[in-house]
Amino acid sequence: GNSVTQMEGPVTLSEEAFLTINCTYTATGYPSLFWYVQYPGEGLQLLLKATKADDKGSNKGFEATYRKETTSFHLEKGSVQVSDSAVYFCALDRGGSTLGRLYFGRGTQLTVWP
Amino acid sequence: DVKVTQSSRYLVKRTGEKVFLECVQDMDHENMFWYRQDPGLGLRLIYFSYDVKMKEKGDIPEGYSVSREKKERFSLILESASTNQTSMYLCASSLWQGANTEAFFGQGTRLTVV
Repeated sequence: GNSVTQMEGPVTLSEEAFLTINCTYTATGYPSLFWYVQYPGEGLQLLLKATKADDKGSNKGFEATYRKETTSFHLEKGSVQVSDSAVYFCALDRGGSTLGRLYFGRGTQLTVWP
Repeated sequence: DVKVTQSSRYLVKRTGEKVFLECVQDMDHENMFWYRQDPGLGLRLIYFSYDVKMKEKGDIPEGYSVSREKKERFSLILESASTNQTSMYLCASSLWQGANTEAFFGQGTRLTVV
């Protein structure tokens, strides 16, 4: 089946610390991979995506590389800010007839302290 | 910008009531989705639709139904609300663009059933 496993939270960091949130997936075919972010009281926003193996998605200082050999899509940021405090979701779209239907991980709460 | 609008941010309903959650998108997307978000469980798909009057069950359809009479509007219906349906409900829409398909989310409706 299709599933996403991401690092359990919560994650608490000081400002300017390095962030890694692990994400691994199981999927048939060649999925696209996404990271979504949810700020307090809001819906989900797309943070970055990668559509094929070895692609790197990046946005707002965040990066993730699509690793087919390890079925992973870990999220990283070199220096987090207080404004990065949010819940982060890893997700996949396995394509084919269900394009647009997403399978989500459980979410990782990130809190950044000044 | 794509806009997905959910009719209510917060709702409080009584057990046994019939509840309607409305979602409207303004970008002529074919695909629309209803997810439920619960702490520690991530987002789970309830129902989705690829066209007007068309619907398909997601992973947790029990206790829910949907309606899509117009392309821009997708309604989630709780036939007889129960306390275990207290949750955050998120609507999404997408346009099929191959591997570049991207889902856009509404701000969410937090439903409390008492």
